[in-house]
Amino acid sequence: EVQLVESGGGLVQPGGSLRLSCAASGFSFSSYWMHWVRQAPGRGLEWVSRINSDGSTTTYADSVKGRFTISRDNAKNTLYLQMSSLRAEDTAVYYCARVWVQQMVWGNYRYPDFWGQGTLVTVSS
Amino acid sequence: DIQMTQSPSSLSASVGDRVTITCRASQSVSTYLNWYQHKPGKAPKVLIYAASSLQSGVPSRFSGSGSGTDFTLTISSLQPEDFATYYCQQSYSTTLTFGPGTKVEIK
Repeated sequence: EVQLVESGGGLVQPGGSLRLSCAASGFSFSSYWMHWVRQAPGRGLEWVSRINSDGSTTTYADSVKGRFTISRDNAKNTLYLQMSSLRAEDTAVYYCARVWVQQMVWGNYRYPDFWGQGTLVTVSS
Repeated sequence: DIQMTQSPSSLSASVGDRVTITCRASQSVSTYLNWYQHKPGKAPKVLIYAASSLQSGVPSRFSGSGSGTDFTLTISSLQPEDFATYYCQQSYSTTLTFGPGTKVEIK
């Protein structure tokens, strides 16, 4: 059974740091790209970051660039999101998601197919 | 960044109704468009990928269509478990973007 379990959320003061983890099981974690996506209270889904399968390529939303770092430990089947210089607007439930590669007639199509339940990060003094 | 819009932002419908949600991209995303269902406290669930392909295990009452900038998600006969928020999401660019969501409520 595919499982993604996020942890590490909590209450942090503005300007502080936090590291989120996403423990993967039930699939070959090292073969998959992964995403972090967040949802602020009362708001919609917002993509945060993506990492390729070996960790050599990362991409970030402008809203977190320079403050957040995505990484992974394939030996531990774990994805991370290091968050620093946190702001009130970073308050959200953070989800990790696996990227599935579907072979189409015209080529490969990548999309997030499986998501964890999320972990809540609250930035407040 | 590619901006996504959805309409309506919310709708009220009855069990058995046909429901249509539209999504528009600020530039062409070809068919790099996915639809997700999200319920409070739950993980988002993919329904449709590549604009019109039904995700394995998703009921056939869900369907998607469109290409370029205009897309549609249709629920042919709304069921009690379908009351949720629905998001479109483009994966054409390296930075993903989601639509603002459409909340489907019980009439």
